[in-house]
Amino acid sequence: GDSVTQMEGPVTLSEEAFLTINCTYTATGYPSLFWYVQYPGEGLQLLLKATKADDKGSNKGFEATYRKETTSFHLEKGSVQVSDSAVYFCAWKASGSQGNLIFGKGTKLSVKP
Amino acid sequence: NAGVMQNPRHLVRRRGQEARLRCSPMKGHSHVYWYRQLPEEGLKFMVYLQKENIIDESGMPKERFSAEFPKEGPSILRIQQVVRGDSAAYFCASSRGSSSGRTNTGELFFGEGSRLTVL
Repeated sequence: GDSVTQMEGPVTLSEEAFLTINCTYTATGYPSLFWYVQYPGEGLQLLLKATKADDKGSNKGFEATYRKETTSFHLEKGSVQVSDSAVYFCAWKASGSQGNLIFGKGTKLSVKP
Repeated sequence: NAGVMQNPRHLVRRRGQEARLRCSPMKGHSHVYWYRQLPEEGLKFMVYLQKENIIDESGMPKERFSAEFPKEGPSILRIQQVVRGDSAAYFCASSRGSSSGRTNTGELFFGEGSRLTVL
């Protein structure tokens, strides 16, 4: 069925390390893809999105490219900071849908100074 | 605070009691979504509402759960006769919706969640 698969956490990195969080989706058609971030004790916030194949979403140093051929939307950041410690959720929405997002299980990132 | 407001933030109930969770969407938003997050799991869609209408309730359990979004006031997620398995974080999100009445852009704005604990 429709789903999102994220790499399992937790992921622990040192400050300034390179980050990759893998995400693949199972969906028909051309969904819109999202990364949300949840900081401790807070709700989810949209980090970035891409709405069509080969689009690159970017925000706060994070990037993800919509890869239709591999049905992937991996999140990357070249140099993480302690303040990036959070849970990251990959999600997709079917094109033409009423806005129901399908979420992955989330990947917890801890960045150590 | 112009964000999505949820209350209570924490709710403790005993088995068999009722739980009511409230959500006020962002100003100008007419679409509300409820999601449930179980421990160690992602967010599961429950229901999507517009004012006075349930648009999609495909994720709602068939029994004990109901949701409404009245013309005035917040959206309410109601759980009757709670059981321990209902313990979870319940998140509300809102979106603007398109003026044409067609699909919205997909970006949802989330509240901080209501954490229900059933003893």
